Amino acid sequence: EVQLLESGGGLVQPGGSLRLSCEASGFTFSAYAMSWVRQAPGKGLEWVSAISGRDGSTYDADSVKGRFTISRDNSKNTLYLEVNSLRADDTAVYYCVKGGSGYIWGSYAESWGQGTLVTVSS
Amino acid sequence: SYVLSQPPSVSVAPGQTARLSCGGDYIGGKSVHWYQQKPGQAPVLIVYDDSDRPSGIPERFSGSKSGNTATLTITWVEVGDEADYYCQAWASTSGRSGVFGGGTKLTVL
Repeated sequence: EVQLLESGGGLVQPGGSLRLSCEASGFTFSAYAMSWVRQAPGKGLEWVSAISGRDGSTYDADSVKGRFTISRDNSKNTLYLEVNSLRADDTAVYYCVKGGSGYIWGSYAESWGQGTLVTVSS
Repeated sequence: SYVLSQPPSVSVAPGQTARLSCGGDYIGGKSVHWYQQKPGQAPVLIVYDDSDRPSGIPERFSGSKSGNTATLTITWVEVGDEADYYCQAWASTSGRSGVFGGGTKLTVL
């Protein structure tokens, strides 16, 4: 059974930083693209960042480019998201997502974690 | 930027058929995926690659495309199907981007 366990969320001041983690189990982690998808309170879904399981290539939404960095440690079956220069509109539940294949392009979110809440407020 | 358009709400009676639309330019050339999200829960993939269902998803849920519109059809709607439904695709306008529709709230009357 696929399990994705996020951690690292919390309350942070504008301009601050956090490191989100996602521990994965139940599948061959290195073979799959992994992503972060967020959902602001009462709002829809936004695909934030993704990292390939094939070649380590990454994708970042324009809204986070230059501020967020996605990475993975295949030896630890763990996905990360470094979030910097946080703004109020980054407040959201951040979901760790397993892709349907090793590729980012055309990917879908096959499995979801329960999410970790990031609140940006002074 | 690429936009997937979904109606904000759809209402249907139990036992009827719900059809949820997702419109976008050139959607015919993209793989469209659908998710169901119930209140307080993480989304769940219910259709991928336009019309395939993950294991465990009932046959009542089906996906299709025609022209610039993808459609999620739910037959024999149950009260438990009340949820938000999102379509998703990848676009290549001004760089690649993962795009979700704004979501449709399905109300079962």
